[in-house]
Order: sequence, then structure tokens, then C-alpha cells
Amino acid sequence: AQSVTQLGSHVSVSEGALVLLRCNYSSSVPPYLFWYVQYPNQGLQLLLKYTTGATLVKGINGFEAEFKKSETSFHLTKPSAHMSDAAEYFCAVIPRPGYALNFGKGTSLLVTP
Amino acid sequence: ETGVTQTPRHLVMGMTNKKSLKCEQHLGHNAMYWYKQSAKKPLELMFVYSLEERVENNSVPSRFSPECPNSSHLFLHLHTLQPEDSALYLCASSQVFKVYEQYFGPGTRLTVT
Repeated sequence: AQSVTQLGSHVSVSEGALVLLRCNYSSSVPPYLFWYVQYPNQGLQLLLKYTTGATLVKGINGFEAEFKKSETSFHLTKPSAHMSDAAEYFCAVIPRPGYALNFGKGTSLLVTP
Repeated sequence: ETGVTQTPRHLVMGMTNKKSLKCEQHLGHNAMYWYKQSAKKPLELMFVYSLEERVENNSVPSRFSPECPNSSHLFLHLHTLQPEDSALYLCASSQVFKVYEQYFGPGTRLTVT
């Protein structure tokens, strides 16, 4: 079965600093890869996804992620954190073939002034 | 209304009650999903409906009963729940051929007393 590992359940960065949230997956065949964000009392919002093509994927709110097959990783980055980026971030995969999103446990991002 | 809506947003029920959660999507999708989000655990897929037929049931206890009367509506009927069923229940929808683009509702926060 597919598994998704998010390293660090809590990450704290200063406003303006680089954001790096880590995600690794286990699969012999590269799955579809996703990052979702969840703000307090809200549902999940898709930040970005990788299906095929370019391995560097740009998403909303200045986030991007790079698919590295050799490392089975899909880390999420943002050059400069804003206070509004504070939220829970989930990495997820859909195996190929498949339709069920398998989520990591989530990483809570705290942005300090 | 746009996107995926869920009602109620909060629900408190006793273990002997019967209640239903409602999800409605306004995106013209034809696949719908129920997920459970518990504290400290990854999101879990509960049910999948594709073209109004159930295609996935991830060993969910029978006290949870889904219903999909049409492609826009999805219900989760609840009866004789346990306190450990307290969680955020999220609904999502997608096109059948674009399962990698799932759109989530805001969720129903369920507390079982």
C-alpha cells in the first residue's frame, strides 16, 4: 500500500524566512502527488499537484514543490513566509492506477513575527 | 452557493441518536467521497461514489451508512455512534476521470457524547 511520511508534525518559521515542509512517499511506481492546506475550521484546499511533466510544480500563494523520483520526495517550499501561511499542510498521493487520496499526518506551520 | 457545501457544520449527538450529514457539490462533478479526519491521525477515506454507485468502502463500521441519490448530493447517515467516532467529516468531489482533482467541503465537526 502507498504510504506518505511528513517529517515534522510542527514547523515554526519567522515571517520572511524560507518555508520547507518535507514529504516522502513509498511506491515503486511514482504516484500522483499533492499538497493540501487546511486553515482553521475549514476544509482542505489544493495547493498544487504533480501528475506528469515538469517536476517543479508551482501552486497558489507562492508555494512550489519538486518531485524527485530518486529520493521519492515531494517537498513543499516557499521563499518567504507570510503570517497568513500559518495552517496545517497535508501531503497526499494517489497510486497509479487508483482514485483514493492517501494522506500524510500533516504538518502544522507556525509563522512568528 | 459554489464549490462543495456541507451541513451541518457542527453536530453534537448522543450514542443512541440518529442523524445525517449532508454534502452538496455545485461543480458538475460525478464522483463524491467521504473522509474522516481524527486528531493525530491521517485523513481516512471512508466511501467513494462514482456515477452514483458506491465503489469503495474501506472497512467502515455499519453504523455509518452512505447514500448518494444523485451526482450532486451525498449523505452520511449515522446511528448508535461511539465516542471515538468524534471527528471532522469531510466531503469531496471530482470528475470520475480526474480523481486527482478533488475539491473538499469545509467539513462537519461531529462530537459524540
